[in-house]
Amino acid sequence: DQQVKQNSPSLSVQEGRISILNCDYTNSMFDYFLWYKKYPAEGPTFLISISSIKDKNEDGRFTVFLNKSAKHLSLHIVPSQPGDSAVYFCAARANTGGFKTIFGAGTRLFVKA
Amino acid sequence: GEEVAQTPKHLVRGEGQKAKLYCAPIKGHSYVFWYQQVLKNEFKFLISFQNENVFDETGMPKERFSAKCLPNSPCSLEIQATKLEDSAVYFCASSAMKGMDQPQHFGDGTRLSIL
Repeated sequence: DQQVKQNSPSLSVQEGRISILNCDYTNSMFDYFLWYKKYPAEGPTFLISISSIKDKNEDGRFTVFLNKSAKHLSLHIVPSQPGDSAVYFCAARANTGGFKTIFGAGTRLFVKA
Repeated sequence: GEEVAQTPKHLVRGEGQKAKLYCAPIKGHSYVFWYQQVLKNEFKFLISFQNENVFDETGMPKERFSAKCLPNSPCSLEIQATKLEDSAVYFCASSAMKGMDQPQHFGDGTRLSIL
């Protein structure tokens, strides 16, 4: 049972344009959300996060939006750069029983020069 | 160190053999997590430690899998009597403190191939 879903396996964007990566979740107990970026043969790297009490968090070119009523979050990258090409994982945590992180299956982003 | 160090990078075992993976968390980090990634899909949580104590083991298979974090030693994940389905990349992560907002820092993983 996938509690965190990334329905787009891949996304291709032109350099300079906006990349929008989407994520849906089913567990209403989740109250903290994270995005990780992963290059081949490396571990995931933390990118940005958002608490459930907020609806937006911005860090440079990266913005995460949270819509709790829709159980949906998105990561916006603008402007997209070729170096952003990687797999992006959406992840979530619940405030119950430890703080293990539940990951989605990832979306592979290709930014074309 | 400043990075989570996982060894070996790649481990090949015949079905039925034992596999042991190691993880050295970032110095000063008290929390260690193990995840399993099968076929480049989502990461499945296995177990977490607070120092040498098991913090959450709800993801650990009941049989064949065990893990330890002993003082002054790398943490380890051991799989007895490996099966083909154990083939995966095993990631270790560490964090400095307990808390929802604490990012976990990941190692580069150990790719376990069961033949």
